[in-house]
Amino acid sequence: DAGITQSPRHKVTETGTPVTLRCHQTENHRYMYWYRQDPGHGLRLIHYSYGVKDTDKGEVSDGYSVSRSKTEDFLLTLESATSSQTSVYFCAITGGQGQPQHFGDGTRLSIL
Amino acid sequence: SQQGEEDPQALSIQEGENATMNCSYKTSINNLQWYRQNSGRGLVHLILIRSNEREKHSGRLRVTLDTSKKSSSLLITASRAADTASYFCATDKRDDKIIFGKGTRLHILP
Repeated sequence: DAGITQSPRHKVTETGTPVTLRCHQTENHRYMYWYRQDPGHGLRLIHYSYGVKDTDKGEVSDGYSVSRSKTEDFLLTLESATSSQTSVYFCAITGGQGQPQHFGDGTRLSIL
Repeated sequence: SQQGEEDPQALSIQEGENATMNCSYKTSINNLQWYRQNSGRGLVHLILIRSNEREKHSGRLRVTLDTSKKSSSLLITASRAADTASYFCATDKRDDKIIFGKGTRLHILP
């Protein structure tokens, strides 16, 4: 399996609190992605990174920010969590365009 | 949007039978990929087929691509209980992103 770790795996928090999810890879891949998965919507791209300090928005980026200060770590932050952000969040990595993505096992986030 | 859409949404078959899932998309693509997701886990890449290819095989998996119809199919032969999972197609153009469909839930009955 590709070396990709998400933390935490589960989190419950309250509306209005900040939340940071971490994705760590040991593959030295250039590209890293954050998705959310919700019933009836499949996987939707939140943000992605194509290099250190290089990030771009995805389909559902409102309410989320990301940072990538080093190759191996990609952080997803919810500045002020809302109940609509309750979801399962997946991180994925790939070495380049047109190549398969490798996924972490997800973070189940509940916003009460 | 070039999002792929899988059909059917859910499929139940007897163990040993073949399972076929379809994916349709809207605009031209660079390649198409199929992924599997077991309950509670991340997606696992199964197979990638490029726009200039028509068919690829990997073990019990057979993928076809018809760019004129903007559609792909995934065939799993001689299904097993371990094949119970959700299956997603994903399409990309020549950029950094791929777009996933909503998936087909496959249940293999004993």
